[in-house]
Amino acid sequence: QKEVEQNSGPLSVPEGAIASLNCTYSDRGSQSFFWYRQYSGKSPELIMSIYSNGDKEDGRFTAQLNKASQYVSLLIRDSQPSDSATYLCAVKNNNNDMRFGAGTRLTVKP
Amino acid sequence: NAGVTQTPKFRILKIGQSMTLQCTQDMNHNYMYWYRQDPGMGLKLIYYSVGAGITDKGEVPNGYNVSRSTTEDFPLRLELAAPSQTSVYFCASSYLGGRGINSPLHFGNGTRLTVT
Repeated sequence: QKEVEQNSGPLSVPEGAIASLNCTYSDRGSQSFFWYRQYSGKSPELIMSIYSNGDKEDGRFTAQLNKASQYVSLLIRDSQPSDSATYLCAVKNNNNDMRFGAGTRLTVKP
Repeated sequence: NAGVTQTPKFRILKIGQSMTLQCTQDMNHNYMYWYRQDPGMGLKLIYYSVGAGITDKGEVPNGYNVSRSTTEDFPLRLELAAPSQTSVYFCASSYLGGRGINSPLHFGNGTRLTVT
């Protein structure tokens, strides 16, 4: 059983639309959750971190965490072509390791 | 501030050769990680360390070894390179804050390894 799963892509949205990215995890004791963006050939870069249930907003990005459902999501409002990248969900497990999902490739079409 | 530094950036190995991927961080982070990323895939955890002298296996440890003799350094060793180890390798670090919450990972720029 995979420990971190993301909705399979690729995901394509028109410019200005909302992109919704989802992630589920298996370790109920997980406490730290992250969304990273990765452009082709580059290292992942942090978009959002979230530690408590509910929503966390930062500019056009909103992360949502539901520990009871073991679910994390990322919403990107007013999507721009520059948002086209692979988005990686990461979860810190109870045994101290940090696991990643397979990633969702997002394309924002002008 | 250098952050996480990985060397080399690129390397081509022949089957059966060995090499060490170097990783050092200057942020005094206690946690360090090695990941591999195959084309079009997410990051797979190879090994991680929660402090000097402590290492643990991740999802895909076979064919690799690590050591953590200092807080700063976390080298990854490939003993008998195989084509299946062709990948991009990322080293990352983080710290453990209050209430067991991890800081985000700081990544190095990656090492692109080809085994032929």
